[in-house]
Amino acid sequence: DAGVIQSPRHEVTEMGQEVTLRCKPISGHNSLFWYRQTMMRGLELLIYFNNNVPIDDSGMPEDRFSAKMPNASFSTLKIQPSEPRDSAVYFCASSPGQGWDEQFFGPGTRLTVL
Amino acid sequence: AQSVTQLDSQVPVFEEAPVELRCNYSSSVSVYLFWYVQYPNQGLQLLLKYLSGSTLVKGINGFEAEFNKSQTSFHLRKPSVHISDTAEYFCAVSDRGNTGKLIFGQGTTLQVKP
Repeated sequence: DAGVIQSPRHEVTEMGQEVTLRCKPISGHNSLFWYRQTMMRGLELLIYFNNNVPIDDSGMPEDRFSAKMPNASFSTLKIQPSEPRDSAVYFCASSPGQGWDEQFFGPGTRLTVL
Repeated sequence: AQSVTQLDSQVPVFEEAPVELRCNYSSSVSVYLFWYVQYPNQGLQLLLKYLSGSTLVKGINGFEAEFNKSQTSFHLRKPSVHISDTAEYFCAVSDRGNTGKLIFGQGTTLQVKP
């Protein structure tokens, strides 16, 4: 298996633009997690899905952020409009879904909003 | 609810010296515990995990951790570190649900000096 795939790996955009980050989880995994990592705030869980259904989105910072999982093999995280403070590394992770299972992380998307 | 505290944000150590990274957790139920490592510009990857049984858990790259229920700790140790161990280390606890959600600590940066 190729592992968790994220695209793009790097994104540079201007304030006010829409940004869409993409994630393909490991086949057969039931849970998918979106994280944000910054120097100031560390690793933050934004939202997670189980069987394509959003379970907890309490970590989503604002209404500007939205996430979807239309099927078991694809998820998106959208920021509209983007702001400089959204600059961070965004990670997607997937898990088989049981409490004892590890999460498998993608390589991350480094977002820079100018 | 569970929580995780990593007591040191940075740990500098010389090459070939022993190291201990400290982790304490809080939970009202029995727990599953994990240590992840993040090398520069990469996603997190699993070092080791404790589910049950022997309280001493061995992981990859010569790391081990000991679960101490009475002290609610899960400290990570390595008897002799290498330059290549320079990375950020995260302790995590499972929320024991059926989604695979993990609660991560703030991370500890291990800096191995020659």
